[in-house]
Amino acid sequence: DTGVSQDPRHKITKRGQNVTFRCDPISEHNRLYWYRQTLGQGPEFLTYFQNEAQLEKSRLLSDRFSAERPKGSFSTLEIQRTEQGDSAMYLCASSWTQEDTQYFGPGTRLTVL
Amino acid sequence: AQSVTQPDIHITVSEGASLELRCNYSYGATPYLFWYVQSPGQGLQLLLKYFSGDTLVQGIKGFEAEFKRSQSSFNLRKPSVHWSDAAEYFCAVAVYNNNDMRFGAGTRLTVKP
Repeated sequence: DTGVSQDPRHKITKRGQNVTFRCDPISEHNRLYWYRQTLGQGPEFLTYFQNEAQLEKSRLLSDRFSAERPKGSFSTLEIQRTEQGDSAMYLCASSWTQEDTQYFGPGTRLTVL
Repeated sequence: AQSVTQPDIHITVSEGASLELRCNYSYGATPYLFWYVQSPGQGLQLLLKYFSGDTLVQGIKGFEAEFKRSQSSFNLRKPSVHWSDAAEYFCAVAVYNNNDMRFGAGTRLTVKP
């Protein structure tokens, strides 16, 4: 068990560009979560998947954000037309069941110039 | 709406001293309660969690937390702090289905030699 991995660890982009992040959960974990963490704040829930189905989305997830988990394993989070306000740490977590502990990855730090 | 308050943004304690980090939540029912620790460049690591049962919960690294329903609190304690405990600590609350976890803003712990 190698834990939750995220790629890339850091991403610097210019405003208006699209970016995509990847999360590989712990193998066989059914649930996968995305969070956003800004400086000095705790993580904020964005969305979660049960296998390949996206079951809940926060109002924080604007139309420019889209997440997928096509085969129920890894997930991608895409941000289109990035804005400076999108600069944050994007965290991924996974769990076996809804009552199981969420295990977090190291995050992807996005900087939008 | 559920919320989590960590009143202390930053705490400094001497190595070997006791520690208590405060957490208050606002929610109509008894939520699931968690404490996570985040070290620089590391993902969030679960210290302990409370779902039901004994209100005094033991966690990893010598930490414990006590759920007090009357005070809507879930304070984290450690009898003797080690220098390696210096990190950011987050309290989190989840509704019954554990999908939408809300985090506090965090408390940064500094340990003096």
